[in-house]
Amino acid sequence: KQEVTQIPAALSVPEGENLVLNCSFTDSAIYNLQWFRQDPGKGLTSLLLIQSSQREQTSGRLNASLDKSSGRSTLYIAASQPGDSATYLCAVIDRGTALIFGKGTTLSVSS
Amino acid sequence: NAGVTQTPKFQVLKTGQSMTLQCAQDMNHEYMSWYRQDPGMGLRLIHYSVGAGITDQGEVPNGYNVSRSTTEDFPLRLLSAAPSQTSVYFCASSYLGSSNEQFFGPGTRLTVL
Repeated sequence: KQEVTQIPAALSVPEGENLVLNCSFTDSAIYNLQWFRQDPGKGLTSLLLIQSSQREQTSGRLNASLDKSSGRSTLYIAASQPGDSATYLCAVIDRGTALIFGKGTTLSVSS
Repeated sequence: NAGVTQTPKFQVLKTGQSMTLQCAQDMNHEYMSWYRQDPGMGLRLIHYSVGAGITDQGEVPNGYNVSRSTTEDFPLRLLSAAPSQTSVYFCASSYLGSSNEQFFGPGTRLTVL
């Protein structure tokens, strides 16, 4: 059974730092991996989707990488801002269409 | 596009009551699904549908029913609410296919007393 793990569970950084959020999965036979952002009391906002044939995707200050063979993905946030404070969720699709989620990393960026 | 919409935003029920959580999307997505989010458990799949008239169970389907009579709508029914169903419920949709980026609604926060 696929399991997705995100470490650390929480992270606090000062404004301006570059940071990396980690996601690992146990079965490398995935179709794609998706990163989401969730603000308190809100829904999930899709940040980046990486298909299994891709190595990375970029959107603005965000860069997500995928290494299927090692079962890892990272989300790199450049020049962090207080507005980046949120919970970041990683999810994979390995069979069918259902997303399998990690429990998230809660990021706090202080000004 | 309104995207994925959910109603109501908040709901309080008493044990044994029934209700329907509504979900609609205007993107002509074939795939729709329901998740529940609980502290410490993350998001777990309840039911999903790959098209009108087709539904299937996810990881935690007990106590919930779904139907898909149109492409746009995918309601989730609680037949007899229990305190264990207190949770935040999210609906999601996507196109079918390997590049199926999924889009989520704003959620319904349900409390069962």
